Amino acid sequence: QKEVEQNSGPLSVPEGAIASLNCTYSDRGSQSFFWYRQYSGKSPELIMFIYSNGDKEDGRFTAQLNKASQYVSLLIRDSQPSDSATYLCAVKEGLSGSRLTFGEGTQLTVNP
Amino acid sequence: DTEVTQTPKHLVMGMTNKKSLKCEQHMGHRAMYWYKQKAKKPPELMFVYSYEKLSINESVPSRFSPECPNSSLLNLHLHALQPEDSALYLCASSQVVARSNTEAFFGQGTRLTVV
Repeated sequence: QKEVEQNSGPLSVPEGAIASLNCTYSDRGSQSFFWYRQYSGKSPELIMFIYSNGDKEDGRFTAQLNKASQYVSLLIRDSQPSDSATYLCAVKEGLSGSRLTFGEGTQLTVNP
Repeated sequence: DTEVTQTPKHLVMGMTNKKSLKCEQHMGHRAMYWYKQKAKKPPELMFVYSYEKLSINESVPSRFSPECPNSSLLNLHLHALQPEDSALYLCASSQVVARSNTEAFFGQGTRLTVV
């Protein structure tokens, strides 16, 4: 079983729609959860982080965490073509807090 | 300021060459990382430095040699690489390693091609 799994893409949504990206993790002791956006040929850019159960909103982005279900998601409201990128879910282990493990990524395309 | 600076941006090297990748941050972060990313794959952790000491080596071949001269700088020395080592090499930094709740910020990466 992979440590961090993301819903397989690619995901295509029309402009203005809500894009929903999902991620599950296997280490129940994980404490920190991150979403990175990566444009083709560029480095990952941190867009959201969440540490506590529940929702966290930042502009058009909402991260949701459910530690009991070992599930974290990212919602992008009013999707724009500029949101088209690969979204990487990353989880930091609970013990040393140093190893950031990434999922395979979900490629999102927002169609004008 | 969440800037991590990597140089060079692009590097082409032969299999007998010796080269170094450099990474610098001035955010006061005491944890620094090297990741390797192949096309259409997620970043893979190579090394972690905590307070300038190597804390994690993910069984990386010895042809990759990391160095952390001070809290702001991280180098990756390359020697006798293979074509399959061609990838995007990413540096990242974060605050104190012992706490889990710390975000890691990435540099722009060095695109390495081994010929």
